[in-house]
Amino acid sequence: AQKITQTQPGMFVQEKEAVTLDCTYDTSDPSYGLFWYKQPSSGEMIFLIYQGSYDQQNATEGRYSLNFQKARKSANLVISASQLGDSAMYFCAMREGPRGNTPLVFGKGTRLSVIA
Amino acid sequence: DAGITQSPRHKVTETGTPVTLRCHQTENHRYMYWYRQDPGHGLRLIHYSYGVKDTDKGEVSDGYSVSRSKTEDFLLTLESATSSQTSVYFCATRGVLRESNYGYTFGSGTRLTVV
Repeated sequence: AQKITQTQPGMFVQEKEAVTLDCTYDTSDPSYGLFWYKQPSSGEMIFLIYQGSYDQQNATEGRYSLNFQKARKSANLVISASQLGDSAMYFCAMREGPRGNTPLVFGKGTRLSVIA
Repeated sequence: DAGITQSPRHKVTETGTPVTLRCHQTENHRYMYWYRQDPGHGLRLIHYSYGVKDTDKGEVSDGYSVSRSKTEDFLLTLESATSSQTSVYFCATRGVLRESNYGYTFGSGTRLTVV
């Protein structure tokens, strides 16, 4: 079974609008961490945001927020006020275990296109 | 000041030839990883290392071997390259989880084409 599922291969959003990228995960470990990365056309992996399984509040980083619904095992990324520079691939990833010793497992990604 | 350097950045090789990709880090991180990225698959783990001479297999390890004789270097070897190994290869390291990126740093990637 896939540990990370991203069901949207591609999405379009109008500039200045908000967009939600979906991510569901599967783990039986009570301690885990969820990550979102951005990969622009240049290819580098850019860390966006992190949510720990014991964190009480949803993580936020500037225009990025993570809608963490633990019971549903979902960790959706919300980008507010989309910009043309947000056009990229976005990956959801998870590490399991309290010490994070296990490697990151990635979803297949969502390609976001921002339209002017 | 790059923490991770991957070499080469691009390589074209012929089917059946051996290929070694190098990942060099200056962060003294214990954990190092090799991933491959293919369209429609995201990043998939090939091998990882949790210390010098300590390595383990990932999801897609067939056809690959690794070595880590020094903390700073993690080598990925394709013993006999096949066209199915055409991919972009990323190295990553993990440091302290409370760093600004929560510990994970990625290299710039190596684009390998097997013809």
